[in-house]
Amino acid sequence: GAGVSQSPSNKVTEKGKDVELRCDPISGHTALYWYRQSLGQGLEFLIYFQGNSAPDKSGLPSDRFSAERTGGSVSTLTIQRTQQEDSAVYLCASSRANTEAFFGQGTRLTVV
Amino acid sequence: GIQVEQSPPDLILQEGANSTLRCNFSDSVNNLQWFHQNPWGQLINLFYIPSGTKQNGRLSATTVATERYSLLYISSSQTTDSGVYFCAVGYGNNRLAFGKGNQVVVIP
Repeated sequence: GAGVSQSPSNKVTEKGKDVELRCDPISGHTALYWYRQSLGQGLEFLIYFQGNSAPDKSGLPSDRFSAERTGGSVSTLTIQRTQQEDSAVYLCASSRANTEAFFGQGTRLTVV
Repeated sequence: GIQVEQSPPDLILQEGANSTLRCNFSDSVNNLQWFHQNPWGQLINLFYIPSGTKQNGRLSATTVATERYSLLYISSSQTTDSGVYFCAVGYGNNRLAFGKGNQVVVIP
């Protein structure tokens, strides 16, 4: 597609379950970013992939969070043993090197 | 890392009024973007503006990279302009840092 695509749009999960969030970046974009936005808050950086470089994981809030990017394209953000404080909108963005970034529509995660 | 500060944090406007949002950043940047987050949470690209001035309808933006700030102007505001405006700077190896946003409410 023409834009960044995230799936699912909405996810409701029970506390303690694992979830996987998917991001399809724009074709040819080497950089991919994950952010989290809690209700009424700003964007919290989670992780950043740039080409073949080691990802910057400095924003991941705990070891329950992990992400991978296969073949330099699709990325999956995994949250293990979800907690209620993980409830948020998870946003993915992509860009070419040092150019304009574009965001997907986000995945709204609710942990009950 | 780089610090990005946006002001004012909250702004209430009467429909038809003009306003200016400001973004200050603490170090040299490769590029700068302004986004509008709509009520559904989608981040809409407004301007990609590493330097200079751009205009798009009632919105315009100016970045003075040497002085480390950018301004977003909203003229003749409409209720549809309500939402959060984010400034984001690209720096280093294509990293992206966001400000905390300007919450704008336009009242009829």
